[in-house]
Amino acid sequence: DAMVIQNPRYQVTQFGKPVTLSCSQTLNHNVMYWYQQKSSQAPKLLFHYYDKDFNNEADTPDNFQSRRPNTSFCFLDIRSPGLGDAAMYLCATSRGGGGAEVKNIQYFGAGTRLSVL
Amino acid sequence: AQTVTQSQPEMSVQEAETVTLSCTYDTSESDYYLFWYKQPPSRQMILVIRQEAYKQQNATENRFSVNFQKAAKSFSLKISDSQLGDAAMYFCAYKRFGNEKLTFGTGTRLTIIP
Repeated sequence: DAMVIQNPRYQVTQFGKPVTLSCSQTLNHNVMYWYQQKSSQAPKLLFHYYDKDFNNEADTPDNFQSRRPNTSFCFLDIRSPGLGDAAMYLCATSRGGGGAEVKNIQYFGAGTRLSVL
Repeated sequence: AQTVTQSQPEMSVQEAETVTLSCTYDTSESDYYLFWYKQPPSRQMILVIRQEAYKQQNATENRFSVNFQKAAKSFSLKISDSQLGDAAMYFCAYKRFGNEKLTFGTGTRLTIIP
């Protein structure tokens, strides 16, 4: 089935040690998103790519970076994880643009739960 | 800025009964989309139902329906014949036309009582 795949499901890193989370999609969607979700809270958008265009949220810390080498893959890099960065990280995709065929629906991966020791 | 408010942090319902989850939003836009997403424990978030603001008719998807009141900026979700598998966190979300960003509410945790 077409889907959004996040690897790994669980990631443990040490305080200050760089970590990369991965997301791939088989939906051929042109928009990809990264969200941070802390326990029992709403997902918080960190940034998104519209095609190759990177869109950073104003309140996303510089510690968070992203790469999108091609349509299918997107990476979240946390340069120096702190204890406050422990969270679930969700990747999502959507088909951006206008037209009746565009349903404006975001499809989510299962998430990567990041622990920082 | 758009905001989405879910005033019920937790709700519970007896299996097979009907429950309504509330959502209000604030926007100055006329063209937008509203969504209800479901996030079961330790599982991925999935779309439950979607409503385009320009449509007056309320969206329905099997046991799920919405009551969309555009003037009141209200978008409630009704779940009929509740099932154990409906237990999840439910998020109401808003998307402005032409903008790719979703704004989520704080969520309502729904418990189904057998």
